[in-house]
Amino acid sequence: AQSVSQHNHHVILSEAASLELGCNYSYGGTVNLFWYVQYPGQHLQLLLKYFSGDPLVKGIKGFEAEFIKSKFSFNLRKPSVQWSDTAEYFCAVNAPGGSYIPTFGRGTSLIVHP
Amino acid sequence: DAGVTQSPTHLIKTRGQQVTLRCSPKSGHDTVSWYQQALGQGPQFIFQYYEEEERQRGNFPDRFSGHQFPNYSSELNVNALLLGDSALYLCASSLTSGGFETQYFGPGTRLLVL
Repeated sequence: AQSVSQHNHHVILSEAASLELGCNYSYGGTVNLFWYVQYPGQHLQLLLKYFSGDPLVKGIKGFEAEFIKSKFSFNLRKPSVQWSDTAEYFCAVNAPGGSYIPTFGRGTSLIVHP
Repeated sequence: DAGVTQSPTHLIKTRGQQVTLRCSPKSGHDTVSWYQQALGQGPQFIFQYYEEEERQRGNFPDRFSGHQFPNYSSELNVNALLLGDSALYLCASSLTSGGFETQYFGPGTRLLVL
């Protein structure tokens, strides 16, 4: 079964700072990888996803993530955060060749000071 | 186009009681998944319904059961409630042809068990 680790549980940044949130997964086979975001008072929504191909994935609102297979990582990045990026961020993985059930990390709470 | 809707938004129950949560999928979606999100944790997959049958199930006891109706809406039932069942319950709908990758989440039902 797959598992997901998000090492940063709470991150506090000032506006314009760069962001990198870590995500590591454990599964030996092919995986699909996701980052979800939950803004205060809003639904969980998909930020970006990786299935195959270019390991650098662009998402909405200027976010990107890089899949590094050798490190089992899928870190989320943004060069310059805004106050409106304050939210909870979840990394998730599912295994098309395995149980296919998605597994989520415990989330990272990001607070951006204006 | 209505997204995923859930009812009720909040619920308070006591230990040993039973609860039913409801979900209406996004228009055009035929598959419904349920997740439990405890405080400070990521969503955990409970089960998925397609064609009125449970298709996949996560690691949850039989106290958790569900149903899908011909109009694709779904119910989650939890019997013999425990304090540990207090959580946000999320419903997500998707197209079965698209898999988990296409799922849209609802706002959730927050259940408090006293």
